[in-house]
This record gives sequence, structure tokens and C-alpha cells, in this order.
Amino acid sequence: SAVISQKPSRDICQRGTSLTIQCQVDSQVTMMFWYRQQPGQSLTLIATANQGSEATYESGFVIDKFPISRPNLTFSTLTVSNMSPEDSSIYLCSVDPGQGHTQYFGPGTRLTVL
Amino acid sequence: QKEVEQNSGPLSVPEGAIASLNCTYSDRGSQSFFWYRQYSGKSPELIMFIYSNGDKEDGRFTAQLNKASQYVSLLIRDSQPSDSATYLCAVNNQAGTALIFGKGTTLSVSS
Repeated sequence: SAVISQKPSRDICQRGTSLTIQCQVDSQVTMMFWYRQQPGQSLTLIATANQGSEATYESGFVIDKFPISRPNLTFSTLTVSNMSPEDSSIYLCSVDPGQGHTQYFGPGTRLTVL
Repeated sequence: QKEVEQNSGPLSVPEGAIASLNCTYSDRGSQSFFWYRQYSGKSPELIMFIYSNGDKEDGRFTAQLNKASQYVSLLIRDSQPSDSATYLCAVNNQAGTALIFGKGTTLSVSS
């Protein structure tokens, strides 16, 4: 498995602002993923972030709204831009350490937009 | 678009009983199947994964896969109150990388 940390753990933000969420892994991993879990819902994949290439976004998610960086094999950021109350959610990063496509999740960032 | 379906529950079982959680998936090409447990306010925790038809056992947990019926299940034997959580079924996406999750089944084990 892998040890994953996220910052911040929670935040309350104003409408129209942006928040950058950091994800740090204790080992080098090729694939990192960003998910969203809205209240009472399951997880929805936002994008896949591979080091050295542009992130791949899922249907319904765009780079202008959710820009992602992946500067090295242990770190990634997700920015939630121009936030609205509908962006209130838990944002989770996950990694695939290369063990047969299993994924491990970070503790999540609980975002509330007022 | 792949879909993963689960009964949302809640599924209530007494302590010591067997809890049976079920999941169906739409894409016959799916190869990898996962069960995650999520406690309230926490992130998902991987319990088991299964790739081949049949059963896979790990302690009190057994995952069952039937690709012909596109059906995955998780059995929890000797259920404990600490097993009370939401159980998420997931399958790999078309690229075989990221995961598509079901909405989860909430399990409640009463003592």
C-alpha cells in the first residue's frame, strides 16, 4: 500500500474564489487520481494525473474548472476554480502503486463553499 | 458508459450473522473488481480485489465473482458492530486504470 496525505483536510471558502488541494505520497507512483464525493453520494472520478503528461479528464469535468498539476512522482495538486456552492464536496486523491490496479485513497479534503 | 449498481440498503444484520452485499456491473469487458469499506467521515479503505471467477477469501471476508452474470458479491462472516459502514463496489474503467464506483450499500450490525 501507500501512505497518502492531503492538505488542507477541510476548508470553508467564499463563492468565486479558488482552492488548491495538495496530495503527497510516501513513494513514487505512476498514476494518481482525483475523485469527488458529494454529500451522500459515491465517488466520481474527476481526472487521472500522470507525471510528465497532461491530466486526462472525465466527462463533465474540464481543465479550466479543475486544473491539475503533477510535477513529480510523489505529488499532485487539484485546484477548484471559481467555486460555487455546488462544488461543496469531499475531494480525494488516490494512487495506484502498481500492484495490479488496486488503488489507495488519501484522507480527503472536505470543502464547503458559501 | 460503465455502470455499477448496488442496493443502497441499509442492510441490517445481528452480530455474528453473515452479511451479503451484492453488486452488478454493465460492462462485460471489466476485468478487475474491488470492494472498499467507508466509515462515516472517512475515506474508502480497500478490503478485497478479485479478478477471476469464483471465490476469494481473506479472513472473515469472501469476494465472489461471476463474470457470466456480471455479478460481484462480498460476504462478511461473523459480522461485528465494527463492520457497520458503507461498502463500495468498484470496477476498472475502459483504460483499466481508474475505478468506477457504485453508490454503496450501508451495513448496520447490531449487538
